[in-house]
Amino acid sequence: DAEITQSPRHKITETGRQVTLACHQTWNHNNMFWYRQDLGHGLRLIHYSYGVHDTNKGEVSDGYSVSRSNTEDLPLTLESAASSQTSVYFCASSLAGAGNDNEQFFGPGTRLTVL
Amino acid sequence: KNEVEQSPQNLTAQEGEFITINCSYSVGISALHWLQQHPGGGIVSLFMLSSGKKKHGRLIATINIQEKHSSLHITASHPRDSAVYICALTGAGSYQLTFGKGTKLSVIP
Repeated sequence: DAEITQSPRHKITETGRQVTLACHQTWNHNNMFWYRQDLGHGLRLIHYSYGVHDTNKGEVSDGYSVSRSNTEDLPLTLESAASSQTSVYFCASSLAGAGNDNEQFFGPGTRLTVL
Repeated sequence: KNEVEQSPQNLTAQEGEFITINCSYSVGISALHWLQQHPGGGIVSLFMLSSGKKKHGRLIATINIQEKHSSLHITASHPRDSAVYICALTGAGSYQLTFGKGTKLSVIP
């Protein structure tokens, strides 16, 4: 069955380290998204991609980067982790198009703690 | 300014009650989404709608485009419905979501 996976599911790191969170989907979706979820703020968009080699900044992109070298993967990199980046991170994907093709499917989430 | 406002923030209901969660928004949209998140769990899409009404089992979602308002109804609520329900928008010409802050529902047996 098609799915969207994230790894690792839990990560503890130190301030200043580079961290990469993986997202892999087998839906063959064009669109992929990274969100973070924090108490009091809800879910917010970090970066998104509408296809291979396409990346765009979201609402809270500072300190994060993504690259899209194939359809299946959109890794999220924290260049120099900060305590403010402690959060739960969700990856999502959708098929570009109208109607129900725009429904988003979410990964299970990665809980990141920056000490 | 928050583009998506949900109410109530918290809701406690007795099993069997009819539940309504509201979502108001202030921008043009191509679609409105209702999502469900169980405690410690992932996020599941319940509905995506751009007009009218959709029904799935005991869940009903409605949208009024002119009033920029949507409601999620749960009939005959059950403790397994306890979760956070999140309203989200897809803006005109885009695919990414803008989220409300969620409504935490607790259904007591």
